[in-house]
Amino acid sequence: EPEVTQTPSHQVTQMGQEVILRCVPISNHLYFYWYRQILGQKVEFLVSFYNNEISEKSEIFDDQFSVERPDGSNFTLKIRSTKLEDSAMYFCASSGQGSLRSNQPQHFGDGTRLSIL
Amino acid sequence: KQEVTQIPAALSVPEGENLVLNCSFTDSAIYNLQWFRQDPGKGLTSLLLIQSSQREQTSGRLNASLDKSSGRSTLYIAASQPGDSATYLCAVEGGNKLTFGTGTQLKVEL
Repeated sequence: EPEVTQTPSHQVTQMGQEVILRCVPISNHLYFYWYRQILGQKVEFLVSFYNNEISEKSEIFDDQFSVERPDGSNFTLKIRSTKLEDSAMYFCASSGQGSLRSNQPQHFGDGTRLSIL
Repeated sequence: KQEVTQIPAALSVPEGENLVLNCSFTDSAIYNLQWFRQDPGKGLTSLLLIQSSQREQTSGRLNASLDKSSGRSTLYIAASQPGDSATYLCAVEGGNKLTFGTGTQLKVEL
């Protein structure tokens, strides 16, 4: 069964550095998402992406964050000037094969655990 | 702003028992509701999706119901097994995002 893959599985970075988290969504999906889960807390929405542009973003997704689909297969989340509070599990998801997006499940990757020191 | 609540927060049952997990949401303007399973340190596995026009969905030993007008969903697990031990998350889709509950941590004991 097709799956969403994320790399790396664990990223350790010094505070203030930039990180790029990578995702390969399911190949025929058209909608892409990033979520994060701080340890012990809810999964939180960050951003959704469709047709090469952001379709919705949360309050968390400020100027520190950006997303990109640099080619036909990858979807990346860049975090600039990382802070201690950015430490979390970051999940990529994809869904939708057409106009029936709202009736199709989002499929999640296994996540990247980001640790900011 | 959509708020999703799940009760109980944790549940421990003996193997073979049938059980019900509850989810409630504050804004009934949703496209669909998904139930996920999360194992420790792992990603989210989609279990069931109920469209807003549907009342229930079934997959194997799992049955999920949706009462959109009252803002409630239940996940029924029949004949629970130790392998069902995990955290179960409810999420509602509105706009272009999922809003998650805090989850129910289930332990099924031998």
